[in-house]
Amino acid sequence: SQQGEEDPQALSIQEGENATMNCSYKTSINNLQWYRQNSGRGLVHLILIRSNEREKHSGRLRVTLDTSKKSSSLLITASRAADTASYFCATDERDDKIIFGKGTRLHILP
Amino acid sequence: DADVTQTPRNRITKTGKRIMLECSQTKGHDRMYWYRQDPGLGLRLIYYSFDVKDINKGEISDGYSVSRQAQAKFSLSLESAIPNQTALYFCATSDFLAGGDTQYFGPGTRLTVL
Repeated sequence: SQQGEEDPQALSIQEGENATMNCSYKTSINNLQWYRQNSGRGLVHLILIRSNEREKHSGRLRVTLDTSKKSSSLLITASRAADTASYFCATDERDDKIIFGKGTRLHILP
Repeated sequence: DADVTQTPRNRITKTGKRIMLECSQTKGHDRMYWYRQDPGLGLRLIYYSFDVKDINKGEISDGYSVSRQAQAKFSLSLESAIPNQTALYFCATSDFLAGGDTQYFGPGTRLTVL
């Protein structure tokens, strides 16, 4: 069962611009996470936001969470070529399982 | 050295063969997971283990089995491989005492079944 669903599926922006991707989910959660995956490699944890938090920052990353709309957004400011990757949201489920979305492929153009 | 390692990194096999993918971790985490990734489908959970004596089925466990030989080792077996098991397989760990939600991934095993 897919809990989180990212939007858009793919995004291309110019280097230096901001990138925003969204995640929607279906059931109540305790927390939501964002991960990055460079092509063919393992996922790397970026940030975790708890259900009682509305916004969280980490470097150039800003994550928001709206539990009333069951949605989250990840903003990457001042994008760089190294930000080219796929980004996944992940939500917790019953039985302590983490469910990943299908991801947003981000391409930073030079 | 990497905290979560997977062997082999690449494997090509034939239909009907038995295959074992191995995962080791030096993070001291109690929880370990196996996922498969297919293009456009994200990650899907195959099996997970919260402790050495604990094994749980995930979303897509049919055709797979696992063994938690020690806290640091979690292996995934395909008893009789079939072509639609061609995918990228990831092992991951998490720490219950740290909340258990943040997952640390291995580099992946690319499996091709002919």
